[in-house]
Amino acid sequence: DGGITQSPKYLFRKEGQNVTLSCEQNLNHDAMYWYRQDPGQGLRLIYYSQIVNDFQKGDIAEGYSVSREKKESFPLTVTSAQKNPTAFYLCASSIDRLGKQFFGPGTRLTVL
Amino acid sequence: SQQGEEDPQALSIQEGENATMNCSYKTSINNLQWYRQNSGRGLVHLILIRSNEREKHSGRLRVTLDTSKKSSSLLITASRAADTASYFCATDEDGNKLVFGAGTILRVKS
Repeated sequence: DGGITQSPKYLFRKEGQNVTLSCEQNLNHDAMYWYRQDPGQGLRLIYYSQIVNDFQKGDIAEGYSVSREKKESFPLTVTSAQKNPTAFYLCASSIDRLGKQFFGPGTRLTVL
Repeated sequence: SQQGEEDPQALSIQEGENATMNCSYKTSINNLQWYRQNSGRGLVHLILIRSNEREKHSGRLRVTLDTSKKSSSLLITASRAADTASYFCATDEDGNKLVFGAGTILRVKS
């Protein structure tokens, strides 16, 4: 099956710890994205990558980091510098930067 | 920044009724997209309409685009309980990436 996967589905973290969220796609898409969604809110873009080994900051990049070493993988690290990390994180991919996006099932991160 | 804006924020209707959601944006676009999100899940792409198109259909979905008013509407006909979800519009007005609106929460009562 072609698609985009995220793991884990639920993640708990203690304050002060870094945590990495996984995102993998086998759609052969060049572009990948990370969004944050807070309860009852829309999507806010954290980082995006249009090609391997390149990525750009989105609207709320502070406290987050990414890498794009492989076309199919775009992991997101939530660092201890992120002041309010509890949220629902969505990864997406698309053939090109303005086209239809395919979303993963999301990771719900809770900081204890 | 979230430049697309959906209206209304929330909508509650009876099964069988039609649901209309609107989206407004600020600058010129090449395309506008609509997505659905069931609670706690990822978004699912519904339909893409290009700036040179005025109307597009997909099953029970009808999307219109009025570039002179910088607005789009999503009509769901003969709604079902399974249509209960949040609906988002997204535009390419940024030029580099899609910009999503805050969404409309649709509840269809059976």
